[in-house]
Amino acid sequence: DTGVSQDPRHKITKRGQNVTFRCDPISEHNRLYWYRQTLGQGPEFLTYFQNEAQLEKSRLLSDRFSAERPKGSFSTLEIQRTEQGDSAMYLCASSLQGADGPQYFGPGTRLLVL
Amino acid sequence: GESVGLHLPTLSVQEGDNSIINCAYSNSASDYFIWYKQESGKGPQFIIDIRSNMDKRQGQRVTVLLNKTVKHLSLQIAATQPGDSAVYFCAEKGGGSNYKLTFGKGTLLTVNP
Repeated sequence: DTGVSQDPRHKITKRGQNVTFRCDPISEHNRLYWYRQTLGQGPEFLTYFQNEAQLEKSRLLSDRFSAERPKGSFSTLEIQRTEQGDSAMYLCASSLQGADGPQYFGPGTRLLVL
Repeated sequence: GESVGLHLPTLSVQEGDNSIINCAYSNSASDYFIWYKQESGKGPQFIIDIRSNMDKRQGQRVTVLLNKTVKHLSLQIAATQPGDSAVYFCAEKGGGSNYKLTFGKGTLLTVNP
């Protein structure tokens, strides 16, 4: 399978714990995006990378959230001191640099904070 | 603020009928639009896209129409099948080097056999 992959697919944690999610983009894609989706809503942009550089961050990305893409390939999204309001589907997408083209999404990581 | 919205939250059609899903956008600077299909528990799946210099684009059983005058986007699905049942989102990309997508709330399409 050469699509975007995410790990884990599901995560249940207790409030106050830290969690980390991983995204592996399509191999030749140098843009990588993180979105968050809550039930009944469309995905909301969190941040994006071009190669290893983080070029934009949403106001939704509080100081408890940090994303990295150290080698310009896979990316991690960490949430510190999780809150119940962080419960959501975290989606990763990737796209090619250059002319506008579609972002291809992974299956997402479903987070439940108890 | 700028937003993308959908006119109808749900659409129910008979198998074999054509489906039309509508979307209104408000950012006149948006230059690229995408339709995604999302099945329960899965990530959004790319269906078709269109750039702002076009008004129509066709794919396999799907057609996207763009009316920039009234800032309206539609997705037409021909001969709708049960496997088309899903939530459909339109998304817009702001102009220039703004690469993030802004999604609408989605339309739930149900295809009755």
